Amino acid sequence: DARVTQTPRHKVTEMGQEVTMRCQPILGHNTVFWYRQTMMQGLELLAYFRNRAPLDDSGMPKDRFSAEMPDATLATLKIQPSEPRDSAVYFCASGLAGLRTDTQYFGPGTRLTVL
Amino acid sequence: QKEVEQDPGPLSVPEGAIVSLNCTYSNSAFQYFMWYRQYSRKGPELLMYTYSSGNKEDGRFTAQVDKSSKYISLFIRDSQPSDSATYLCAMSVGPIGSARQLTFGSGTQLTVLP
Repeated sequence: DARVTQTPRHKVTEMGQEVTMRCQPILGHNTVFWYRQTMMQGLELLAYFRNRAPLDDSGMPKDRFSAEMPDATLATLKIQPSEPRDSAVYFCASGLAGLRTDTQYFGPGTRLTVL
Repeated sequence: QKEVEQDPGPLSVPEGAIVSLNCTYSNSAFQYFMWYRQYSRKGPELLMYTYSSGNKEDGRFTAQVDKSSKYISLFIRDSQPSDSATYLCAMSVGPIGSARQLTFGSGTQLTVLP
């Protein structure tokens, strides 16, 4: 049963600390998305990658957020320094370009609380 | 104004009711339309996918798209308590299979009471 995995599932940290979230996309998928979900803003796209190269990171605060794909099986989202307003659920999703669909498969999310 | 507007609800209906969920959008470039279902503390999962005006049916679910009005709907027949979730509409400019970014509505929280 192929699925997107994310770690950690929950993270509580203090303001100013570095936070790293990890995502393992579905094997063979070539597109990876990072989203942030809050009650106020809903689901917002932060960045996405195609074949490990960043295609769009315009939704991401550049001064504190960074996203990378060290290899095809790992995507990371880092926040440094973290702030209370970063508290949200962060979702990773993966998809496969080239199919007759734009389905994105979401992971279970990382629930981040910054105190 | 957001590109995609969705009534957040919450919407509460009795079991067996017909549920209608709706989204409007302003970007006429959107060509592909999806409905995702998100259970509490889970990631969204694709429910329906359509790319043309008209209706698409899958079991108890019917997705309807009216591009001329920039309006999409999801109907749930014979609603069940297991349908209780947040429903998000999502849209893409395509082209089909490009796996480009989706623009999501804010989600409608649905509760089906037994």
